[in-house]
Amino acid sequence: SQQGEEDPQALSIQEGENATMNCSYKTSINNLQWYRQNSGRGLVHLILIRSNEREKHSGRLRVTLDTSKKSSSLLITASRAADTASYFCATAHSGNTPLVFGKGTRLSVIA
Amino acid sequence: GAVVSQHPSRVICKSGTSVKIECRSLDFQATTMFWYRQFPKQSLMLMATSNEGSKATYEQGVEKDKFLINHASLTLSTLTVTSAHPEDSSFYICSARDWTGPYEQYFGPGTRLTVT
Repeated sequence: SQQGEEDPQALSIQEGENATMNCSYKTSINNLQWYRQNSGRGLVHLILIRSNEREKHSGRLRVTLDTSKKSSSLLITASRAADTASYFCATAHSGNTPLVFGKGTRLSVIA
Repeated sequence: GAVVSQHPSRVICKSGTSVKIECRSLDFQATTMFWYRQFPKQSLMLMATSNEGSKATYEQGVEKDKFLINHASLTLSTLTVTSAHPEDSSFYICSARDWTGPYEQYFGPGTRLTVT
């Protein structure tokens, strides 16, 4: 069963703007990960944040995690047309359980 | 970095036939592999977890007799879709966990199955 729910389901922005996607989950987690998927292609791992971390940065990406609210957000700054893709959060209940994916957000960045 | 390959990348088969998809961890040993299915414009749904040398654990609603999973070695898992039907057409993605790192789950590029 799916653990996470992404919000919004679809997002369309202009190049250069920031894009924020949210993810909520239901049970306790060991870590939360964000992935990108271009249409019809495989997954690209973006970032992993552990349950004892609150914020993490990687290039133009900023991820926050609020375990009390069971939610996470992914911020992409200064978006580019190449950022157009679907973005999924995935959670792991423990270190050795499989990742369970949310429904995803389809991001369109218009040049 | 750890690489997971899948073969074939695309396959078209006729209804009623069986199709085998291979998943290999190229530069690490994977005691555990996972199989996901993704329908168009939807998310990945976990189908099953396989551990090397033992029977796979299937998620609720996934027919184990239809989706046969074999994890015979630390670098290879196979998914066989038996008696395929058009509704089995989907994107199948495997994932492997490096036994040295509990958090890292590496994904293959996926296999596009079309059943006509």
